[in-house]
Amino acid sequence: GAVVSQHPSWVICKSGTSVKIECRSLDFQATTMFWYRQFPKQSLMLMATSNEGSKATYEQGVEKDKFLINHASLTLSTLTVTSAHPEDSSFYICSAGTESSYNSPLHFGNGTRLTVT
Amino acid sequence: AQSVTQLDSHVSVSEGTPVLLRCNYSSSYSPSLFWYVQHPNKGLQLLLKYTSAATLVKGINGFEAEFKKSETSFHLTKPSAHMSDAAEYFCVVSDEGGKLIFGQGTELSVKP
Repeated sequence: GAVVSQHPSWVICKSGTSVKIECRSLDFQATTMFWYRQFPKQSLMLMATSNEGSKATYEQGVEKDKFLINHASLTLSTLTVTSAHPEDSSFYICSAGTESSYNSPLHFGNGTRLTVT
Repeated sequence: AQSVTQLDSHVSVSEGTPVLLRCNYSSSYSPSLFWYVQHPNKGLQLLLKYTSAATLVKGINGFEAEFKKSETSFHLTKPSAHMSDAAEYFCVVSDEGGKLIFGQGTELSVKP
């Protein structure tokens, strides 16, 4: 079945540094990728939607200059948290959609636990 | 606009007894509905999906859900709970653009 690989699974960084999270579709072409953020004991909140080769569409309240999303190929999207601060500590999850699923994301990565000290 | 409401934040059952996780949705058109399961510090796994075919949808691990338009519900059930079913469950609706809108989640505990 379709697999989405997310890396790293966890990362600890110092305040002010930047962190890059990768999301890869291993056996299918992901025309659309979605990035979510999840706080402890809460639901997933969509941060942005990216289509291969075009700029990401950010949800209201998400700072596009802080959360940089790149979707340069059909198998890779990256989320870079720039100048991270402790309040950015969270669980970040990507998901990928294919044309066969009408671009509805059905395949999720295992998430990245970000801790900013 | 589409939305989902999961009526219980936490459900506790004994192993071997039935599971019922409740979900109500709101949609201005015929929705696509999903149930996902999330184990601690893991991503999400699709249990089942409804996309306007049969109203009773069978998923993995013995779970099933019934789409009831008159009640705007999509409750998740399983006849007999297993310890490994303990996890967080999300009811999700897809909007016209394919974005997933998540419910608040229901934590399922299974007692031995």
